[in-house]
Amino acid sequence: SQQGEEDPQALSIQEGENATMNCSYKTSINNLQWYRQNSGRGLVHLILIRSNEREKHSGRLRVTLDTSKKSSSLLITASRAADTASYFCATGNTGGTSYGKLTFGQGTILTVHP
Amino acid sequence: DGGITQSPKYLFRKEGQNVTLSCEQNLNHDAMYWYRQDPGQGLRLIYYSQIVNDFQKGDIAEGYSVSREKKESFPLTVTSAQKNPTAFYLCASSIVGAVTKAKNIQYFGAGTRLSVL
Repeated sequence: SQQGEEDPQALSIQEGENATMNCSYKTSINNLQWYRQNSGRGLVHLILIRSNEREKHSGRLRVTLDTSKKSSSLLITASRAADTASYFCATGNTGGTSYGKLTFGQGTILTVHP
Repeated sequence: DGGITQSPKYLFRKEGQNVTLSCEQNLNHDAMYWYRQDPGQGLRLIYYSQIVNDFQKGDIAEGYSVSREKKESFPLTVTSAQKNPTAFYLCASSIVGAVTKAKNIQYFGAGTRLSVL
């Protein structure tokens, strides 16, 4: 079952603008990750935030996590046309039969216009 | 996609036919996963394996089978029992261990697109 719900489903912006995508989840997690998928390709890991962290940065990416609201956001600053892709959040657990598994959201399709 | 090779890139299945999708990794990862992705959708877990000779059903295992005879290989068979096999199939792998188990970052292949003739 898909735990993550991403919002918006699609986002269209101009180059140089910031893009914000949100993810909500339902159960307790150990970590939350964001992945990127170019059209017709596999997913690539972008960033991981642990359940005891509130914010994390990596280059032009900023991720926040609010465990009380069971939500996360991914901010891409100064977007480029090359950022056009689908972005997925994935939640991870380490306990019991969930060991190592990730549960992916439905994804946000980001289009950055030159 | 580095380190995980999926083949073929495109595959066509005739009605009543079983087809096998290949997934090979040279990352020395213990765990491997198969996902199905339908257009505009997220990933759904079909099967996963955390160690050689052991595998577990995911959320949508019906109509699929797997084997894990070697650490580097995790082939997926789409059987004739899977009535709607048209989808994009993704294989992934991850490290499993005491130090890294809190991360479970997955590395993906480039995918196989399966269509029905």
